[in-house]
Amino acid sequence: AQKVTQAQTEISVVEKEDVTLDCVYETRDTTYYLFWYKQPPSGELVFLIRRNSFDEQNEISGRYSWNFQKSTSSFNFTITASQVVDSAVYFCALSDPYSSASKIIFGSGTRLSIRP
Amino acid sequence: NAGVTQTPKFRVLKTGQSMTLLCAQDMNHEYMYWYRQDPGMGLRLIHYSVGEGTTAKGEVPDGYNVSRLKKQNFLLGLESAAPSQTSVYFCASSYYLGTVYEQYFGPGTRLTVT
Repeated sequence: AQKVTQAQTEISVVEKEDVTLDCVYETRDTTYYLFWYKQPPSGELVFLIRRNSFDEQNEISGRYSWNFQKSTSSFNFTITASQVVDSAVYFCALSDPYSSASKIIFGSGTRLSIRP
Repeated sequence: NAGVTQTPKFRVLKTGQSMTLLCAQDMNHEYMYWYRQDPGMGLRLIHYSVGEGTTAKGEVPDGYNVSRLKKQNFLLGLESAAPSQTSVYFCASSYYLGTVYEQYFGPGTRLTVT
């Protein structure tokens, strides 16, 4: 069965520290997509990244970077030089391979708090 | 573009009352979804639609009904609200171009059933 595990329920770091959010997934499919979403205190869900299972290159976007490793079924998210505005709940998600409707399965989220 | 909008933003119901949540998107997306978010449980799919006039059940469909009479709108109905339906409800939409694309979410509706 498809599953996304975000074992870190809550993380708290001091501003300017680097922080990594872990995401481990389970799927039987060979073609799948992984996603990260951010949910700031205001409550909306903001799309951050979509990654195809065939593309294992790491991705960097400003202070954000993603490490995709198929060998360990992980898609970890690192924030470099964290800022207070990074405080949010972050969700990792996996495409449902048996769905014809672009359904995705969400992890339970990691609440990140950045202390000034 | 407004993206995905939801009305209302907040609602309080008494047990047994009914209501309809409206979701609208202006991105011409084929796919639309309704989720509920409860503390510590991420988002769970209630119902979804792959096009106008079609709907399907998700992970937690009991107690909810949906309709998609127009491509841009997706309605979620609660016929007889129960306290267990207290949650934050999110609508989302997505492209269909032969592969899985990211979903774009509305701002959410916070529903309390007393």
